[in-house]
Amino acid sequence: GAVVSQHPSWVICKSGTSVKIECRSLDFQATTMFWYRQFPKQSLMLMATSNEGSKATYEQGVEKDKFLINHASLTLSTLTVTSAHPEDSSFYICSAGGHGDDSPLHFGNGTRLTVT
Amino acid sequence: LAKTTQPISMDSYEGQEVNITCSHNNIATNDYITWYQQFPSQGPRFIIQGYKTKVTNEVASLFIPADRKSSTLSLPRVSLSDTAVYYCLVETSGTYKYIFGTGTRLKVLA
Repeated sequence: GAVVSQHPSWVICKSGTSVKIECRSLDFQATTMFWYRQFPKQSLMLMATSNEGSKATYEQGVEKDKFLINHASLTLSTLTVTSAHPEDSSFYICSAGGHGDDSPLHFGNGTRLTVT
Repeated sequence: LAKTTQPISMDSYEGQEVNITCSHNNIATNDYITWYQQFPSQGPRFIIQGYKTKVTNEVASLFIPADRKSSTLSLPRVSLSDTAVYYCLVETSGTYKYIFGTGTRLKVLA
């Protein structure tokens, strides 16, 4: 089945630095990918929709200058958390697929970000 | 918006059948219903997808009534390893967005 690969699986960074998370669709092309954030014991919250070759669409309350999304190819989207702060510590999950007859959304294994 | 509503939590015992129901009153005509399983610190894992009536695979069954305003995930003979959070997901009508509801936290007891 379709596989979405996310890297790194965990990262620790210092306050003020930036962190890039990669999301790849391994055996299919994805013109659209989604980025979610999940806090402990909570559901996934949609942050933004990443569109290949165009600007991402951000959900209300998500700072686009803080969470930079680049979708430069049909198999790769990146999320960069800029000037990270401890409150950005969370579990970030990407997904791709869906939107087509019986094509389900597939998820990466997530990235645990800890900002110290 | 195709918002989904599920019970927050459920407990079951090993070997029992578990049924988790999700309501999605505003589902659009063309939308499929997909169920996922999530373990701590992992991404959601696809379980099953359906459009109407009944779908069965090697791990679960999905029952969808004719009006499609709800769906029920059925897990036969659960084991301790089925303890996880289960989400039903429906595309948010025509927007190509997938908004998660609360999910159902299933705890399987020995």
